[in-house]
Amino acid sequence: GMPVEQNPPALSLYEGADSGLRCNFSTTMKSVQWFQQNHRGRLITLFYLAQGTKENGRLKSTFNSKERYSTLHIKDAQLEDSGTYFCAARNNAGAKLTFGGGTRLTVRP
Amino acid sequence: GPKVLQIPSHQIIDMGQMVTLNCDPVSNHLYFYWYKQILGQQMEFLVNFYNGKVMEKSKLFKDQFSVERPDGSYFTLKIQPTALEDSAVYFCASSLDSTQDTQYFGPGTRLLVL
Repeated sequence: GMPVEQNPPALSLYEGADSGLRCNFSTTMKSVQWFQQNHRGRLITLFYLAQGTKENGRLKSTFNSKERYSTLHIKDAQLEDSGTYFCAARNNAGAKLTFGGGTRLTVRP
Repeated sequence: GPKVLQIPSHQIIDMGQMVTLNCDPVSNHLYFYWYKQILGQQMEFLVNFYNGKVMEKSKLFKDQFSVERPDGSYFTLKIQPTALEDSAVYFCASSLDSTQDTQYFGPGTRLLVL
């Protein structure tokens, strides 16, 4: 299978809702980054994790290398959260990031 | 946060021509990357570069592609000659360390080959 499987491929939320995105890895990864790609195509780094959990405002991310997954949780979704979210991971062999297929998030009023 | 710049933001060229995409990485970073994103599809790694050398490349990094960073100036991706399937957004990234650090991405160069 693909090295990085991201789910769901698309997600629709109402303002104020909470939800989560998940990436599963086919092999042990060393670190993960989460990005938001906005409507202009710009990639914004949300998190870099080598292990554990990080929070930033309404966003929280967890990376479990041993269990081969990472999650991104969005709390109290806002309209400006709309966009495509990507996880990308590095394995132990090198520096390149392998990206998931993305989750297209739409937040509705 | 740290900023990676890319020039130009858009480029339209005829198939068979040469194109150079320029990246101005974060000033103290040592590792440089190019990624390719075809419209609506996922991001794919092309190449990474350190100390004047290609460290790793993917099968997407065809023989027509080359990278360099002469004298610490722009980190460039050259495609010669271009093909229709090279149309994509090309993202440059840089990092301080190869495996234990955030990769910072530029805004991308949208390349259209006609």
